[in-house]
Amino acid sequence: AQRVTQPEKLLSVFKGAPVELKCNYSYSGSPELFWYVQYSRQRLQLLLRHISRESIKGFTADLNKGETSFHLKKPFAQEEDSAMYYCALKGGSEKLVFGKGTKLTVNP
Amino acid sequence: GAGVSQTPSNKVTEKGKYVELRCDPISGHTALYWYRQSLGQGPEFLIYFQGTGAADDSGLPNDRFFAVRPEGSVSTLKIQRTERGDSAVYLCASSQGGYAYEQYFGPGTRLTVT
Repeated sequence: AQRVTQPEKLLSVFKGAPVELKCNYSYSGSPELFWYVQYSRQRLQLLLRHISRESIKGFTADLNKGETSFHLKKPFAQEEDSAMYYCALKGGSEKLVFGKGTKLTVNP
Repeated sequence: GAGVSQTPSNKVTEKGKYVELRCDPISGHTALYWYRQSLGQGPEFLIYFQGTGAADDSGLPNDRFFAVRPEGSVSTLKIQRTERGDSAVYLCASSQGGYAYEQYFGPGTRLTVT
C-alpha cells in the first residue's frame, strides 16, 4: 500500500527562522516524491519534486530512502511562505497519493 | 495561457439528487485526473483518463460515481443519488500525459450535499 504521512497538522515559526515540514512515506518500490503548496485562495501547485533536485523559493527536499522521508526545508522562512503544504507520492502509476497537509504560518 | 478550469465553483444539492461537475483541461493535455478533497484531508485520487479512456478508475468510491471524457478534452464527473458524505472539494488536474509530466490543478468545485 502507498501512504504518505505528514505528522504536523499545524506549524508556526517566526520570520527568518528555519523551517522543516516533515513527510514520511510507505511504498515498497522506488517512489517519486513531490511537495505541493496551496496559498490562500489559490489553486494547488507543484513546489518541487525530488528528481529535479532543485531549490524553489529557497525550499529544498532530499529523498532519504533509508528513513523513507522527504522533509521540506528552508533556512530562513518568509511571511509569504505561509500556506498549506502537501507531500505526495507517485508509485508506479499516474495517481498522486497525498498526505493530509501541514499548515505553515510564518509570523512577523 | 489558460489553466485548468472547473465549473461550477460551488454546488449545493439535496441528498439523493444527481450532480455533474465539469473540468476543462489545459489545451493539448492528454491526461486528466479527478481527485476529491474532504475537510482536513489531502486530495484523494478518483480516476485518471488518458485521451478518451479511463486508464485507472480504482479511486471511485462506488458505482454512484462515474466520469466521462468523450472527446479527449472536457471531462464530466457524475454523481448519482448524492449523500451527505459526498460533500467535498472535487479537484481536476491535467498533464501532457506520461509519468514524468507535472499535473496542473484546477480551482476545484466545492460540493455541499444537504
